[in-house]
Amino acid sequence: GAVVSQHPSWVICKSGTSVKIECRSLDFQATTMFWYRQFPKQSLMLMATSNEGSKATYEQGVEKDKFLINHASLTLSTLTVTSAHPEDSSFYICSARTGENVLTFGAGSRLTVL
Amino acid sequence: QKEVEQDPGPLSVPEGAIVSLNCTYSNSAFQYFMWYRQYSRKGPELLMYTYSSGNKEDGRFTAQVDKSSKYISLFIRDSQPSDSATYLCAFTGGFKTIFGAGTRLFVKA
Repeated sequence: GAVVSQHPSWVICKSGTSVKIECRSLDFQATTMFWYRQFPKQSLMLMATSNEGSKATYEQGVEKDKFLINHASLTLSTLTVTSAHPEDSSFYICSARTGENVLTFGAGSRLTVL
Repeated sequence: QKEVEQDPGPLSVPEGAIVSLNCTYSNSAFQYFMWYRQYSRKGPELLMYTYSSGNKEDGRFTAQVDKSSKYISLFIRDSQPSDSATYLCAFTGGFKTIFGAGTRLFVKA
């Protein structure tokens, strides 16, 4: 089946630094990928839709300058959290649409900003 | 009114019990109905997927959709400790997928 690989699975960084998270579709091409954020014991919050070769579409309230998304190829989308602060600590998950309206998710990346 | 309502639990049951998980929704445009299972600190994985009213069975899992009542359910038979996870209902109508808050399930051995 379709596999979405996400890296790193966890990362700790200092406040003010930037962190990049990669999301790869391993055995299929994904023109569109989705980035979610999940706080403890809460559901998935869609942050943005990543479109191959064009700008990402951000959800209302998500700072596009803080969460930079690049989808340069059909198998790779990246999320960069710029100038990270402790409030950015969260679980970030990417997904791609596989099959008919079904999302396949990566394993997630846990970010801790000190 | 929220588009999707799901009781967050937690729900604790003994091993072997039948588990019933439910979601209600308000958007009539939803056409696809899904259940995802999420283990702690992992990404969600698709369990069941359907687009019509009625029941769909896969092993110990049965997904039920009632479009007239805007209500979906997931039944787990002979629950196992390995079923302990958070279960998220999800709906797609158009381009976006909307998730419920997730129900945390604990199956005690």
